[in-house]
Amino acid sequence: AQRVTQPEKLLSVFKGAPVELKCNYSYSGSPELFWYVQYSRQRLQLLLRHISRESIKGFTADLNKGETSFHLKKPFAQEEDSAMYYCALRGNTGTASKLTFGTGTRLQVTL
Amino acid sequence: DTAVSQTPKYLVTQMGNDKSIKCEQNLGHDTMYWYKQDSKKFLKIMFSYNNKELIINETVPNRFSPKSPDKAHLNLHINSLELGDSAVYFCASSQDIGTKNTEAFFGQGTRLTVV
Repeated sequence: AQRVTQPEKLLSVFKGAPVELKCNYSYSGSPELFWYVQYSRQRLQLLLRHISRESIKGFTADLNKGETSFHLKKPFAQEEDSAMYYCALRGNTGTASKLTFGTGTRLQVTL
Repeated sequence: DTAVSQTPKYLVTQMGNDKSIKCEQNLGHDTMYWYKQDSKKFLKIMFSYNNKELIINETVPNRFSPKSPDKAHLNLHINSLELGDSAVYFCASSQDIGTKNTEAFFGQGTRLTVV
C-alpha cells in the first residue's frame, strides 16, 4: 500500500520567513515523489519532482529515504506562494501506477 | 489548446438526479484519473484507467461509474446523486510507468453542487 501524509492542514508564515511543508510517505519500493500546487481558482499543477532535483519558484524538496520524507522548503516566503500544496507519490512496480496525494497543506503568507 | 478539459465547469442539480461529467485529454497519455476534492480540499483518487481499462477503483460507491470510450476520454457518470457528492471533481492524465514523463496534468475541475 502507498500512503502520503501531510501533517499540517494550514501553515501560516510571514512574508520573508522560511517555509517548510512536511510530507512523509509509506511505500515498500522506490517511489517517485512530487509536489503539486493549486493557486486560487486555478487547476492543480506540478511544482517539482524529486528526480529533477531542481528549484522551482525558489522551492526545493529533497527525498530522504531514511526518514521517508519529501519536505518542501523555501528560504523566503512570498505573498504569491499562498496556495494549497499537495505532496504526491507514484509507485514504480507493475502497470497499475497510482498517483496518491496527501491531504494537502494550505500555505498562507501574510505581510 | 487545453491539455485536459472537463465539462461542465459547474453543475448544480437536485438530489436523486443522474449526471455525467466529461473529460478529454489531447496529450496522448495512456492513463487517466478521476479525483474528488472535498470541502476541506482533501484530494482522493476515485478511479484510474489505463488504455481504456479500469485499473484502480478506490472504494467508491457503485453509483459512480466511469466510462472510457477511448484512451483520450474518461467520463464519470453519477446515479442517484446525494448531498455528500457535492465536491470538486478533477480529471487528470499521465503517461504510464516506463517513460520519463510521469507528470499528471489536471483539468480545471468540475464543481458539483447537489441541492
